[in-house]
Amino acid sequence: AQKVTQAQTEISVVEKEDVTLDCVYETRDTTYYLFWYKQPPSGELVFLIRRNSFDEQNEISGRYSWNFQKSTSSFNFTITASQVVDSAVYFCALSDQNTDKLIFGTGTRLQVFP
Amino acid sequence: DGGITQSPKYLFRKEGQNVTLSCEQNLNHDAMYWYRQDPGQGLRLIYYSQIVNDFQKGDIAEGYSVSREKKESFPLTVTSAQKNPTAFYLCASSISGQKNTEAFFGQGTRLTVV
Repeated sequence: AQKVTQAQTEISVVEKEDVTLDCVYETRDTTYYLFWYKQPPSGELVFLIRRNSFDEQNEISGRYSWNFQKSTSSFNFTITASQVVDSAVYFCALSDQNTDKLIFGTGTRLQVFP
Repeated sequence: DGGITQSPKYLFRKEGQNVTLSCEQNLNHDAMYWYRQDPGQGLRLIYYSQIVNDFQKGDIAEGYSVSREKKESFPLTVTSAQKNPTAFYLCASSISGQKNTEAFFGQGTRLTVV
């Protein structure tokens, strides 16, 4: 069965700290996509990144970076020098190639204090 | 501006009533989705539609109904058969399918049964 686990329910950090959000997935598909979405207090989910299962290169976008490791079925997300505006719930998701569904993790609530 | 509009933002329903949540997009996307979000459970897919006049059940379709008469619109009806409808409902759309393209989300409707 396909599954996404975000074991960290809530993380609190002080501004300028680095923080890593963990995501572990299970799938039998050989081709799949992994996603990260951010849900600010306003409610809508905002797309952050999509990663193809064949591309294991790490990616950096400003203060955000992602570490994809197929060997451990993980797709972790790091925020460097966190800011108060990073406070949100972050969801990791896995695609189901047969049915056009996304399987979401339960989310990690990040609180960044000034 | 292009985007997804959900209305209303807050909705109160008496037990036994049907209510309809609106979702409109002007992104010219073919695919649209309805998710339910409960605390600690992430997002669960209710229904999705990949083309006008066609839709598929998601993981928790019981007690819900949808229609897709126009490309721009994908309303969700929460029927009296849904035993626990209090939740946050999110609508999303994507160009052709969310398994390999990003999805765009509305700001959600919070439904409360009174």
